[in-house]
Amino acid sequence: EVLLVESGGGLVQPGGSLRLSCAASGFTFSRHDIHWVRQATGKRLEWVSAIDIAGGTYYAGSVKGRFTISRENAKNSLSLQMNSLTVGDTAVYYCVREFGEPGNWYFDLWGRGTPVTVSS
Amino acid sequence: EIVLTQSPGTLSLSPGERATLSCRASQSVSRSSLVWYQQKPGQAPRLLIYGASSRATGIPDRFSGSGSGTDFTLTISRLEPEDFAVYYCQQYGSSPRTFGQGTRLEIK
Repeated sequence: EVLLVESGGGLVQPGGSLRLSCAASGFTFSRHDIHWVRQATGKRLEWVSAIDIAGGTYYAGSVKGRFTISRENAKNSLSLQMNSLTVGDTAVYYCVREFGEPGNWYFDLWGRGTPVTVSS
Repeated sequence: EIVLTQSPGTLSLSPGERATLSCRASQSVSRSSLVWYQQKPGQAPRLLIYGASSRATGIPDRFSGSGSGTDFTLTISRLEPEDFAVYYCQQYGSSPRTFGQGTRLEIK
C-alpha cells in the first residue's frame, strides 16, 4: 500500500524544539519531491517546506531560519526539525508527495498528519 | 502570492442532488495548475482533480473540474452519502503554493 505516515508531534513550550518524521512505503521515495503542509484549527492549509530529489530545500517565509527539512532515501524517511517554536506554529503537520510531469507537478498523496501544539 | 477564495463556505444539499463549488484566484493561475481535494474528519486530504479538469486515479466520474485563468469549478453530478466532506482547491502554478479556505458540503 502506498502510504505516508507522520510522527513526532506533541506539546511543546514556546521557544522549544520538535522533530517530525515521515515514513514512506509502497513507492520509490527517492524519485519524488516531498513537502510539509500544515493546518491550524479553523485556518486554511499552508505550505511549509519542501525537499527535492536532489536534496534542494525550500521554506515558507514564516519558518525560514527556524525549520530544517531533510531526507534519508535509504530509509524512505523525511524529517522536519522545528526550532524556536511559537504559538503560531500550532497546527496539524502533513507529509505530502509531489507527483506529475514537467510543468505539471501537484500533491497526489498525503499522510494523516501529526498534531503540534505550542503552548505554555 | 495567489489568494484562492472558495464559495460558498458551506453547501447544504441532499443525496442525489448536484453540487457546484467555486474557487476564485486573485490572479491568473498559470497552465490551469489547480487541484481539488476532499477531506473527511481525521483523514488525509484525497486528490480528486488535477490540472483543473483531470480526474485522479480511482475518482468516480461524478466528480468533474472545469475553469481556467481565475475561475474554477468542481461539480459533483449526483451526490452520494460518502461525498459529504470538506473540499479544498489549491494552485501549484506559482510559488508559494496556496490553498483555498475550503467549502464544507453537508447533508441537508
